[in-house]
Amino acid sequence: NAGVTQTPKFQVLKTGQSMTLQCAQDMNHEYMSWYRQDPGMGLRLIHYSVGAGITDQGEVPNGYNVSRSTTEDFPLRLLSAAPSQTSVYFCASSGGMNTEAFFGQGTRLTVV
Amino acid sequence: QKEVEQDPGPLSVPEGAIVSLNCTYSNSAFQYFMWYRQYSRKGPELLMYTYSSGNKEDGRFTAQVDKSSKYISLFIRDSQPSDSATYLCAMMDDKIIFGKGTRLHILP
Repeated sequence: NAGVTQTPKFQVLKTGQSMTLQCAQDMNHEYMSWYRQDPGMGLRLIHYSVGAGITDQGEVPNGYNVSRSTTEDFPLRLLSAAPSQTSVYFCASSGGMNTEAFFGQGTRLTVV
Repeated sequence: QKEVEQDPGPLSVPEGAIVSLNCTYSNSAFQYFMWYRQYSRKGPELLMYTYSSGNKEDGRFTAQVDKSSKYISLFIRDSQPSDSATYLCAMMDDKIIFGKGTRLHILP
C-alpha cells in the first residue's frame, strides 16, 4: 500500500523560482493537509482541504497556493520562493473528522 | 495564545522509567485527540487516538484526556531507548492542529 506519497523528497530552489510539491494518496481520503516543520516550531498548517474542490487556509498560508481537483491529489505551489520557505514539508490525509491522519515522508526544501 | 501548547523539552530519562508527556489546549471544540511519534528525518506516525475524556491503553502506552481542564497526557511505561523520538500531540475539529512536539531521550 502506497498510502501518502510526496515528491520530490529533496529540492533546492533559487530565490524567486516557483515550484509545485506533489502529494497523492490512494486511500480515498476526503481530508488532505499541508504542513511545514521548522526547528522548535512543530508542525504548522499551511492549507487544508475537506474534499475535492474545497480548500482553506491554515496558520501560515502566505506564499503558498493549493488546489484540489481530484480526491487523490493535493499539490502545494510556491509562487516565488523565499529563503524563509526553507523547511520540511509534510502532506497528510485522513478519512474525515475524528479519524487519524497519515503522513507522507516529507519534502526537504532549501531556498538559496 | 496558541491553540495547543506543548513543552518542547528535551526530556531525558533513564531506561525503564515512566515517561509523562503533556499538552494543554484552548479550543473546546476539539473532540479528537492524538499522539504522534516522529523519528529523526521521518514523517510523524500515529501512536494513539481517543475521542473522549478518560484513559486509553495500548501496550506500554496510555493516553489520558481531561476535557474539563483541556489537558491531555501520554504515559510510556518501561521506557526503552527505541522510544527516543519527538512526540507530538494533535487535536482535530475540521483540521488537525499540532503541538510543537517534545523531544524525548531514553538513556540506556
